[in-house]
Amino acid sequence: DAGITQSPRHKVTETGTPVTLRCHQTENHRYMYWYRQDPGHGLRLIHYSYGVKDTDKGEVSDGYSVSRSKTEDFLLTLESATSSQTSVYFCAISENGLSYEQYFGPGTRLTVT
Amino acid sequence: GESVGLHLPTLSVQEGDNSIINCAYSNSASDYFIWYKQESGKGPQFIIDIRSNMDKRQGQRVTVLLNKTVKHLSLQIAATQPGDSAVYFCAETQGGGFKTIFGAGTRLFVKA
Repeated sequence: DAGITQSPRHKVTETGTPVTLRCHQTENHRYMYWYRQDPGHGLRLIHYSYGVKDTDKGEVSDGYSVSRSKTEDFLLTLESATSSQTSVYFCAISENGLSYEQYFGPGTRLTVT
Repeated sequence: GESVGLHLPTLSVQEGDNSIINCAYSNSASDYFIWYKQESGKGPQFIIDIRSNMDKRQGQRVTVLLNKTVKHLSLQIAATQPGDSAVYFCAETQGGGFKTIFGAGTRLFVKA
């Protein structure tokens, strides 16, 4: 998976609790992305980062926040998890801003009960 | 609206046959079209892309065809192997920026 790890790989949490997912890369790529994958929806972009401390919203950003304090780490936080956020979350990286050159991590399966 | 979709949700082929996975798109302004492969329990893997000013591009055992007249994209896999069993996504980039829109995916089954 192109030097990308995600943690945790699986998590079950209760509605209303905060959750943070971590993406770590060893490729020194500038751009990082968080997607969610749901049946029938394919992959949808949540947030992306184009550099340390530089982030922007994607298609489905409501209820999520991100932070990037180092090139190698991109954190996704659900401040107060809801059942609608049950999904598989993928981190991706790309060397440049042309997002078609993305490489994906193994994913985190999150269940909100 | 802008959308990327797939004609068939499931495709079953015999090992050794050629596979064709189809995709329709609606945004004529997209810069690139991309195919990803996702195996069970893994993240999507980039297969091949094609720029909007091209009609055809070939890779190793794969060919992508772009028909801009009817806004149609296809992925052809030659001599399909059991290892090709996966979900295949088409995607398009729009606006030249950081936005990639993915289709819902087609599951390819390869029968031995």
